[in-house]
Amino acid sequence: KQEVTQIPAALSVPEGENLVLNCSFTDSAIYNLQWFRQDPGKGLTSLLLIQSSQREQTSGRLNASLDKSSGRSTLYIAASQPGDSATYLCAVYGGTSYGKLTFGQGTILTVHP
Amino acid sequence: EAGVTQSPTHLIKTRGQQATLRCSPISGHTSVYWYQQALGLGLQFLLWYDEGEERNRGNFPPRFSGRQFPNYSSELNVNALELEDSALYLCASSLGGVSYQETQYFGPGTRLLVL
Repeated sequence: KQEVTQIPAALSVPEGENLVLNCSFTDSAIYNLQWFRQDPGKGLTSLLLIQSSQREQTSGRLNASLDKSSGRSTLYIAASQPGDSATYLCAVYGGTSYGKLTFGQGTILTVHP
Repeated sequence: EAGVTQSPTHLIKTRGQQATLRCSPISGHTSVYWYQQALGLGLQFLLWYDEGEERNRGNFPPRFSGRQFPNYSSELNVNALELEDSALYLCASSLGGVSYQETQYFGPGTRLLVL
C-alpha cells in the first residue's frame, strides 16, 4: 500500500526566504508525482507535475525534483512571499494505486511580512 | 475555458439522510475522480469513473456510490449519512483513458455538514 509522508508538517518563515518542502513515498513504481497548493476551505491548484522519467520541473519561483529510486521529492520555493501562504500537498499516481492519487498530509506554510 | 465545477458549494443534512453531490469536468475530459477531505484525515480517494464506468474504488462503505453520465458529468451519492461523513468533497477530472501521465484538475469542492 502506497504511503506518502510530508515533512515538515508546518513551516513559518519571513518573507524573502528560500525554502524546501519534503515528500517521501513508499512504493517507487509511480507514474508521476504532483505538487498542489490548497488555500483554506478551497480546492486544489496543481503547481507542478513530474513524470516518472523526469528528474525535475520548474515553474516561476517553484522547482520540484524527483528521485524515484529513493522515493523522495522536494519542492523548492525561491524568494517566498506572503501570498505563498497555503497548505502544500504532494501526491503520487500509479503503481499499486491504480487510477488514484495518494496524498501526503501536507505542509502548512506561513510566510510573514 | 471553464474548470471543474461542483454543486452545491455547501450542504447541510441530518444523520440518516441522503446527500447528492454533482461535478462537471473540464470539457474534453472523460475521467472524473472523487476525494474526501475530512478534518484530520487528509485527502482520501473515493471513486474513479471513466467513460461511464467505475474503474476503481477507495476503502469506503457501499453507502458511498456514484455514477457518470453520457456527458461525463458525475454524481456522488452518500446514503444513511453519519456524523463522520462531514467533510470537503473534491471532484477532479483528467483526459482519462490510459493517459496515466495526465494531471488531475480539481474543482472547488462541496462542503458537507452532517448534524
